[in-house]
Amino acid sequence: GAGVSQTPSNKVTEKGKYVELRCDPISGHTALYWYRQSLGQGPEFLIYFQGTGAADDSGLPNDRFFAVRPEGSVSTLKIQRTERGDSAMYLCASSLDSSYNSPLHFGNGTRLTVT
Amino acid sequence: AQTVTQSQPEMSVQEAETVTLSCTYDTSESNYYLFWYKQPPSRQMILVIRQEAYKQQNATENRFSVNFQKAAKSFSLKISDSQLGDTAMYFCAFMLYNAGNMLTFGGGTRLMVKP
Repeated sequence: GAGVSQTPSNKVTEKGKYVELRCDPISGHTALYWYRQSLGQGPEFLIYFQGTGAADDSGLPNDRFFAVRPEGSVSTLKIQRTERGDSAMYLCASSLDSSYNSPLHFGNGTRLTVT
Repeated sequence: AQTVTQSQPEMSVQEAETVTLSCTYDTSESNYYLFWYKQPPSRQMILVIRQEAYKQQNATENRFSVNFQKAAKSFSLKISDSQLGDTAMYFCAFMLYNAGNMLTFGGGTRLMVKP
């Protein structure tokens, strides 16, 4: 009965480095979402997957951000050439499917700090 | 594009009393859904209550209820008999009909319940 798991819980990296953030959704959930939450603000949508494919990636801020979900379960958010402005909480959520009747279940987030 | 505004950055309430959190949104669409999420210090975002825009009746979940005013584009959350465990950030969120669970969040209201 595990919930959505995100690892690591905290990540500190230097400007210019590459980072990967991992999300393990609830078993059987076909939809998976990434949100970014800057300090003192509400979460902002980045990308969502339905199965293995990205159904909507309109929230990715630029081409340094990329996400994959190769087997339709675990997803990885990848950030290249990190910048200080990338510092934020990255939230993952999953749902049984992408309909309104399938509420989102959020993980505890990964707090990324770029120094 | 849709926007969600929460005009109260912080609020406090005495235990057992009632508090109302405000939310307004802007959209040109007529079919959508509205949500209130709670984010306690543990960081995990939890769904509190949700409302379908086509329903005139206000949603209620135990001590939580909403006042949905579609014409005014207002969606406030009332918490009755406040408990210490209600201390958290509260986010109002908007989702277009058939938008695949992609939410637009407000900036949040920090609620402190005092003993």
